[in-house]
Amino acid sequence: AQSVTQLGSHVSVSEGALVLLRCNYSSSVPPYLFWYVQYPNQGLQLLLKYTSAATLVKGINGFEAEFKKSETSFHLTKPSAHMSDAAEYFCAVSRMDSSYKLIFGSGTRLLVRP
Amino acid sequence: GAGVSQTPSNKVTEKGKYVELRCDPISGHTALYWYRQSLGQGPEFLIYFQGTGAADDSGLPNDRFFAVRPEGSVSTLKIQRTERGDSAVYLCASSTNSGSTDTQYFGPGTRLTVL
Repeated sequence: AQSVTQLGSHVSVSEGALVLLRCNYSSSVPPYLFWYVQYPNQGLQLLLKYTSAATLVKGINGFEAEFKKSETSFHLTKPSAHMSDAAEYFCAVSRMDSSYKLIFGSGTRLLVRP
Repeated sequence: GAGVSQTPSNKVTEKGKYVELRCDPISGHTALYWYRQSLGQGPEFLIYFQGTGAADDSGLPNDRFFAVRPEGSVSTLKIQRTERGDSAVYLCASSTNSGSTDTQYFGPGTRLTVL
């Protein structure tokens, strides 16, 4: 069975600091991995996705993530946080033999201090 | 273009009542998904449609939940005999096809409150 673990339900950083949101997955077959962002009262928006091409994936708004098979990780990073990055972030996994449904982690709320 | 829309945005009902939640996917998207997001949790898969048929309904929690997509576009999630535990945000997503790299585009959700 697939699962996703996001370490830290809340992460707080200062504006301009590095953002690191952690995601570990378990899957018996090569997974597809996603990061979504959810702003208050809005739908989920895709930040980036890994689909077995390049292991370093660049997304929107300056975010990127690196797929590390040996560590079963797909951590999300951004070099310099902006106030507008404050939101809830979800890591998700899917796979081709499972209708491509997304299995989500429990989310990490990013707080950005001025 | 227009994104995924869901109506109503909020629904308050009493325990035991029947509710219908509607999803309008992006035009031309053949794949449609329903998820449920409880407070403080990530979304949980409920059901997936490819065209008019439910290709995977393994996430429906019990037989009080049912969903249809009769013409391959709009979908309705139906909940009978609602319980307080059904309170959550119900999310709909669509994609061009259920392919390996297709992005699922999410609607804003319907917040269901069962009193």
